[in-house]
Amino acid sequence: DIQMTQSPASLSASPEEIVTITCQASQDIGNWLAWYQQKPGKSPQLLIYSATSLADGIPSRFSGSRSGTQYSLKISRLQVEDTGIYYCLQRYSNPPTFGAGTKLELK
Amino acid sequence: EVQLVESGGGLVQPGRSLKLSCLASGFTFSNYGMNWIRQAPGKGLEWVASISSSSSYIYYADTVKGRFTISRDNAKNTLYLQMTSLRSEDTALYYCASHTIDYWGQGVMVTVSS
Repeated sequence: DIQMTQSPASLSASPEEIVTITCQASQDIGNWLAWYQQKPGKSPQLLIYSATSLADGIPSRFSGSRSGTQYSLKISRLQVEDTGIYYCLQRYSNPPTFGAGTKLELK
Repeated sequence: EVQLVESGGGLVQPGRSLKLSCLASGFTFSNYGMNWIRQAPGKGLEWVASISSSSSYIYYADTVKGRFTISRDNAKNTLYLQMTSLRSEDTALYYCASHTIDYWGQGVMVTVSS
């Protein structure tokens, strides 16, 4: 199985800051990487698909990038409503595997 | 608008069975594969099973293989997850999700406890 190592496990940042969350794949997964945001009591919401493509209705302050087998989610100009847990997911091969999650809190 | 609505969850004793359903609407269900994904309380996301549009291809996580069965009825726009020999570690919120895991249902809770 492909392992997705996500970091950091948690982070606290101030509004308007820039934050970056990363996922390291244990092998090549191409661009088969998605990012999700989950708020308490809610289903995960797709933010980024194909490593860099913004999902419909997602603010442009969210962006995804790839460098080899390392994938990053950047949130520019952090907003209060961006608190939640963020997960990466690889769908390159079965079984699909998620990162362990990053809990984002605002100061 | 894509909608996925799960049902069938509840409290069940270890070793017993339960069948989850997911009613899909807003897209041509028969054209797309589907997934079940679960989340134990306070934990992360775990993919459980997937099924292709015509049920030709089915995959399971090792943790449920041999105990869970994914199926679908395209005439009823419904996805199923038959769970047998349930264990306490199967306690989770179970989500159905679209083929590309872009749309999720609201989830249904399964609690395995005596």
